[in-house]
Amino acid sequence: RKEVEQDPGPFNVPEGATVAFNCTYSNSASQSFFWYRQDCRKEPKLLMSVYSSGNEDGRFTAQLNRASQYISLLIRDSKLSDSATYLCVDRDSGYALNFGKGTSLLVTP
Amino acid sequence: DAGVIQSPRHEVTEMGQEVTLRCKPISGHDYLFWYRQTMMRGLELLIYFNNNVPIDDSGMPEDRFSAKMPNASFSTLKIQPSEPRDSAVYFCASSLGGNQPQHFGDGTRLSIL
Repeated sequence: RKEVEQDPGPFNVPEGATVAFNCTYSNSASQSFFWYRQDCRKEPKLLMSVYSSGNEDGRFTAQLNRASQYISLLIRDSKLSDSATYLCVDRDSGYALNFGKGTSLLVTP
Repeated sequence: DAGVIQSPRHEVTEMGQEVTLRCKPISGHDYLFWYRQTMMRGLELLIYFNNNVPIDDSGMPEDRFSAKMPNASFSTLKIQPSEPRDSAVYFCASSLGGNQPQHFGDGTRLSIL
């Protein structure tokens, strides 16, 4: 099984802080990359795709380094509602998603 | 619009019993995926279908597991006989096209005693 590795955390940060998550993937043939968010006892939901040039969606910035097989997610100005588990995901030429085990984030008042 | 609908939401049964999990994908979606989530192994693909045809079942753990998709609006995942190590949350997801975002159902929380 091709691995996606993440630091499980938990990351405890105060509101307004900037926090960064990283992950590495072992499948050099991976073609697509994503960050999913999963709240406690809920289903995973797509947060954003990750593109080679890097991409931003509001307070969230994702980066991909294909040479190092490394993906990152930066969250600026953290909100209480950002508390969740963040799943790093890759996909090869097939259509099944390959999930990391997730990084837990807790944003505190 | 209705999302992916899974049933039951929770299932508790004794080992050796047959378990059937059900999924209704979003109308019009042509891909359907079954995933399993445990603390130890995280989220793993079990099987996926395209236009009701199984495409990749390499994640199905063993012969005790089987999945069917008799029509575009319904799929089942069966475990027979069930074992305690099958306890997990089972998610169904669907997408319109293989490259499009996958929408997940609420999951079935399965406990085998």
